[in-house]
Amino acid sequence: DQQVKQNSPSLSVQEGRISILNCDYTNSMFDYFLWYKKYPAEGPTFLISISSIKDKNEDGRFTVFLNKSAKHLSLHIVPSQPGDSAVYFCAATVIIQGAQKLVFGQGTRLTINP
Amino acid sequence: DTEVTQTPKHLVMGMTNKKSLKCEQHMGHRAMYWYKQKAKKPPELMFVYSYEKLSINESVPSRFSPECPNSSLLNLHLHALQPEDSALYLCASSLRGHIQYFGAGTRLSVL
Repeated sequence: DQQVKQNSPSLSVQEGRISILNCDYTNSMFDYFLWYKKYPAEGPTFLISISSIKDKNEDGRFTVFLNKSAKHLSLHIVPSQPGDSAVYFCAATVIIQGAQKLVFGQGTRLTINP
Repeated sequence: DTEVTQTPKHLVMGMTNKKSLKCEQHMGHRAMYWYKQKAKKPPELMFVYSYEKLSINESVPSRFSPECPNSSLLNLHLHALQPEDSALYLCASSLRGHIQYFGAGTRLSVL
């Protein structure tokens, strides 16, 4: 039962254009949604998050949009830069037994072409 | 400073060996986590420690034994592992909020 889904395994975008990464979820109990970026041989790096009571959060070139009725969120990167090439994981938090659990999507490999 | 330090970076062990993975953070975070990540898969939660007590065990086999000696340190003791346990083992920590900060991981190979 995959509660967080990223249906696009890969995405290729030209440098300077907008990158849009998508994520769908099924569990209405998730209270926060996060995006992590991962380079090979490194741990995931936190990028940006959004509370389930918000619909948009912006931080520099990164904006996350949440559509609760559609159970969908997206990450927009504008403008895209070569250093943005990495695997991006969507994740969601839920409280279980008083502790926070982070559930990850399968990841989307973003490639920024010069 | 959001640094979580994991040692060793790489580990090769036989199925009869006993080894330990170590994770350290000095950010005052009170929750610490172990994840397992196989190639081309997302990280999967193994254990959660909250205030040095085990809060979540995601039905992990007993050949993996976590330990939290103090609020800054988290260990994962390994014994009698199988080749399918080869993976990247990630440690994370968080303060009270929803953001978990990850270490670089230990790449484990079981022969």
